[in-house]
Amino acid sequence: AQSVSQHNHHVILSEAASLELGCNYSYGGTVNLFWYVQYPGQHLQLLLKYFSGDPLVKGIKGFEAEFIKSKFSFNLRKPSVQWSDTAEYFCAVNAITSGTYKYIFGTGTRLKVLA
Amino acid sequence: DTEVTQTPKHLVMGMTNKKSLKCEQHMGHRAMYWYKQKAKKPPELMFVYSYEKLSINESVPSRFSPECPNSSLLNLHLHALQPEDSALYLCASSQDLLAGPRDQYFGPGTRLLVL
Repeated sequence: AQSVSQHNHHVILSEAASLELGCNYSYGGTVNLFWYVQYPGQHLQLLLKYFSGDPLVKGIKGFEAEFIKSKFSFNLRKPSVQWSDTAEYFCAVNAITSGTYKYIFGTGTRLKVLA
Repeated sequence: DTEVTQTPKHLVMGMTNKKSLKCEQHMGHRAMYWYKQKAKKPPELMFVYSYEKLSINESVPSRFSPECPNSSLLNLHLHALQPEDSALYLCASSQDLLAGPRDQYFGPGTRLLVL
């Protein structure tokens, strides 16, 4: 079945540690890829997106993600996390396959950064 | 103005009530979306409007009835809901449905409780 998978459901890190959150999808054809973040008590907001071109995309707050087409992956990275990065992170895929429009979110990863 | 607003913030309704959720954006976006998000789950797409026409209905029960009166407004009419419909209802908008980067701007949501 077509899906978006985030394998890490909960991640706990200390400040200054490096972060990598996995995202894999199973849609064929052309896809647009997104990472959204939801800080505690706030609404979903876009962190970064891949539409076309350079597969390494940079987003806000020092986050970046790499689109690897052969691996159907779009992993999120940050070299050094801060306490303020504590939030829930959702990977999302927008695809049009077999004439069907899909905008699917992964199950989310809750990140807790310890001060 | 990069804001999507939603009213009300909270709503409690009985199974025989009729109520409406409202969403507004003034970014000139021509695609608007309704999502349902249950606790600790990702948002699930319900409806998509493109240029004020219903483009996608993800097999949502008829007790949910969307309406797009103009390009800035999106409503979700609720009637005869069930307790399992209790959730956070999110509205989002994007520049277009099919053309260009399809990153979405989300509102804060309406938290609905059906008794």
